[in-house]
Amino acid sequence: GENVEQHPSTLSVQEGDSAVIKCTYSDSASNYFPWYKQELGKRPQLIIDIRSNVGEKKDQRIAVTLNKTAKHFSLHITETQPEDSAVYFCAASRNNNDMRFGAGTRLTVKP
Amino acid sequence: SAVISQKPSRDICQRGTSLTIQCQVDSQVTMMFWYRQQPGQSLTLIATANQGSEATYESGFVIDKFPISRPNLTFSTLTVSNMSPEDSSIYLCSVEGGLAGYNEQFFGPGTRLTVL
Repeated sequence: GENVEQHPSTLSVQEGDSAVIKCTYSDSASNYFPWYKQELGKRPQLIIDIRSNVGEKKDQRIAVTLNKTAKHFSLHITETQPEDSAVYFCAASRNNNDMRFGAGTRLTVKP
Repeated sequence: SAVISQKPSRDICQRGTSLTIQCQVDSQVTMMFWYRQQPGQSLTLIATANQGSEATYESGFVIDKFPISRPNLTFSTLTVSNMSPEDSSIYLCSVEGGLAGYNEQFFGPGTRLTVL
């Protein structure tokens, strides 16, 4: 089955700096890669996703890149703000079956 | 995206008892899922709730421990049976939504279960 690894487990940046979180996956048949943001005590919220036929996707300050050959994908947050502080999870699935999540990255943005 | 609610939002239960968690969606959805999130951990898929047939369980989860119902396209229940303290966790349902051809999953608010 699919195995997703996520790094780093914690990340601390200064407000205004960029943050990058990286994930690798094992199943070459995986074709859908979402990223979720989870604030303390709240549900995971989908913030951006990418499908295997696309190499990069951007939505304002966040972007995701996908390298199918290397089986890794990354989340990039630019101009970070304190409200970006949360736990971020990557995930991978094949046609939305058997979605596997990474272990999570706790991002802290210092004002 | 769909509006998803769960009941109860939290509960404290005694060892050996069972708890049924309800998940309600405000629109018909094909796919519904149940996840477990242990304190400070990631999300683990328990099963896919199939409408009109038995749920599909992931490795490590069995129907006797986590029976699931899916009577229609807007509702599902997860029962945590014969509970032990190790079952203390947050249980979340999710639904597949979004545009046709996309597979975004959206999560309910979760049920925080504590087993004494």
